[in-house]
Amino acid sequence: DAKTTQPTSMDCAEGRAANLPCNHSTISGNEYVYWYRQIHSQGPQYIIHGLKNNETNEMASLIITEDRKSSTLILPHATLRDTAVYYCIVSNAGNNRKLIWGLGTSLAVNP
Amino acid sequence: NAGVTQTPKFRILKIGQSMTLQCAQDMNHNYMYWYRQDPGMGLKLIYYSVGAGITDKGEVPNGYNVSRSTTEDFPLRLELAAPSQTSVYFCASSYGQLGNEQFFGPGTRLTVL
Repeated sequence: DAKTTQPTSMDCAEGRAANLPCNHSTISGNEYVYWYRQIHSQGPQYIIHGLKNNETNEMASLIITEDRKSSTLILPHATLRDTAVYYCIVSNAGNNRKLIWGLGTSLAVNP
Repeated sequence: NAGVTQTPKFRILKIGQSMTLQCAQDMNHNYMYWYRQDPGMGLKLIYYSVGAGITDKGEVPNGYNVSRSTTEDFPLRLELAAPSQTSVYFCASSYGQLGNEQFFGPGTRLTVL
């Protein structure tokens, strides 16, 4: 499975969009990009995943570059409750046992 | 649905003691997982199961055992607790081949002294 690179930490003002980048330059053609987040001391929470098209759900949008070597998770209107560690993971769809978790990005949403 | 539940929430063990961490899910998921998370680190997979009666090792299985006698339950056994097993343990479950959306429990914080 491809590895990912994320910034260690980011800040965002409440109400503004939070854009979290992820590099996955060694991603292969059958690997999906997954995003999870972990609010302090809680179990991780699934956010979104995609293969090559941009995806949107009620929580966030996922923008994947055309060469698939990087992606951006967008929280359109960040709230204080979005303060968390965000993990970008690449893995084969259905290959559930192969989620390799890095250190993620610690996002602080400030009032 | 309660989702994924874990007990206990906290536990302190002495070196050499044994215990079982309980995990249950009511979503009829066939895949279940155990992870550990050390302070400031990402999650590491200990064991996983693709269905009742089937388990397999993950990245860090040493010192642990699992069983899966029912779809709902996936207990994790520590036989001889060591300080290196001090960690937060998360159980998760998912559907089999429909993508990697894993649902996590609230975790068990274990300290071995």
